[in-house]
Amino acid sequence: ILNVEQSPQSLHVQEGDSTNFTCSFPSSNFYALHWYRWETAKSPEALFVMTLNGDEKKKGRISATLNTKEGYSYLYIKGSQPEDSATYLCGPSGSARQLTFGSGTQLTVLP
Amino acid sequence: NAGVTQTPKFQVLKTGQSMTLQCAQDMNHNSMYWYRQDPGMGLRLIYYSASEGTTDKGEVPNGYNVSRLNKREFSLRLESAAPSQTSVYFCASSVTDSSTDTQYFGPGTRLTVL
Repeated sequence: ILNVEQSPQSLHVQEGDSTNFTCSFPSSNFYALHWYRWETAKSPEALFVMTLNGDEKKKGRISATLNTKEGYSYLYIKGSQPEDSATYLCGPSGSARQLTFGSGTQLTVLP
Repeated sequence: NAGVTQTPKFQVLKTGQSMTLQCAQDMNHNSMYWYRQDPGMGLRLIYYSASEGTTDKGEVPNGYNVSRLNKREFSLRLESAAPSQTSVYFCASSVTDSSTDTQYFGPGTRLTVL
């Protein structure tokens, strides 16, 4: 079981603001990192899977970076919109292959 | 494709009662998972099945049993429910149990144990 921390726990931003949050995990025994987006009353949906140090992935206004040497990943949202309001979960995996999810960052975008 | 389906959506049990949560996927995935989600704790893995015929414990298996009935179906059983098992339960599936395979989640079952 990996020790995964996400910060901040919650975040309120105005529509149009750009924002970012962090996922920290043990740098040893790292295999992959998953980011999921979880809207209230829905199921988590996959955003990215990253494996290589320095990896950067992008999907529309959302992007993520990975630093496996220091054990962190950043998720960025450019020009936040109300529909971006959700909880963003990260889940690294180690040699056991199973994902260990953080408790998430709850983002609220105010119109 | 329905993806991952779960039944029931909601359930209320009394302490000591038993029940089975059902999960099915139509994506021909080999691996399936059961998680529970509690406030402030994210998703915690209860049990998983890497492939048909195999099951393994996750982070919080106590009080639960699972059955991989066939490739499509993976059920979670609470033999004697306790209030500590009040939670939202999510089933997920992936092509394999590789670290890089995306997991696809069902809609969840909200369970309350009184």
